[in-house]
Amino acid sequence: GAGVSQSPSNKVTEKGKDVELRCDPISGHTALYWYRQSLGQGLEFLIYFQGNSAPDKSGLPSDRFSAERTGGSVSTLTIQRTQQEDSAVYLCASSEGSGSNQPQHFGDGTRLSIL
Amino acid sequence: AQSVAQPEDQVNVAEGNPLTVKCTYSVSGNPYLFWYVQYPNRGLQFLLKYITGDNLVKGSYGFEAEFNKSQTSFHLKKPSALVSDSALYFCAVRDRAGNNRKLIWGLGTSLAVNP
Repeated sequence: GAGVSQSPSNKVTEKGKDVELRCDPISGHTALYWYRQSLGQGLEFLIYFQGNSAPDKSGLPSDRFSAERTGGSVSTLTIQRTQQEDSAVYLCASSEGSGSNQPQHFGDGTRLSIL
Repeated sequence: AQSVAQPEDQVNVAEGNPLTVKCTYSVSGNPYLFWYVQYPNRGLQFLLKYITGDNLVKGSYGFEAEFNKSQTSFHLKKPSALVSDSALYFCAVRDRAGNNRKLIWGLGTSLAVNP
């Protein structure tokens, strides 16, 4: 089945390096969300894309974080000059249409560890 | 401010007993309400949602939830718990008014079902 796919599933990198996390949403889903989840904790909203509208970046924790969505499909979350506090699971979700009652479908996340 | 509260960090029940995971919310308008489940090392899975109509909503894996407008609650229930139900459960709400498609998330409740 074509669910939300995230890659890599695990990423270990040294402090100060840049990382790119990829999300392939479900085909046809116009909304895409990025979240961060620390160990055993709740979800922290990062950024939201809806169709061709300007993304809602209100959750990005610093200017080291950025995201783009090319062609309304694949999205990349980039973290520059990584810090140890960036270690977390990064989850991507997509939903269909523009109706606010549509559930979000999640990938299994990228587990990021900063040494 | 809009918010979701899951007052219990952890719920423990014996297998075969009924379970309840509590959720209360505060939003400015009428909400859409959602429950998600997260198994270890996986993304979140949609369980059920309330949009309108019958206050008792049935979802996946035998779960159900009851919308109570006067108490602003949306508690998740299951008549007979299974060990395999042990997971992290998240409640989420979205105000159906306006264009904001972001969900407001609770912090999660860890459910442990003991054999």
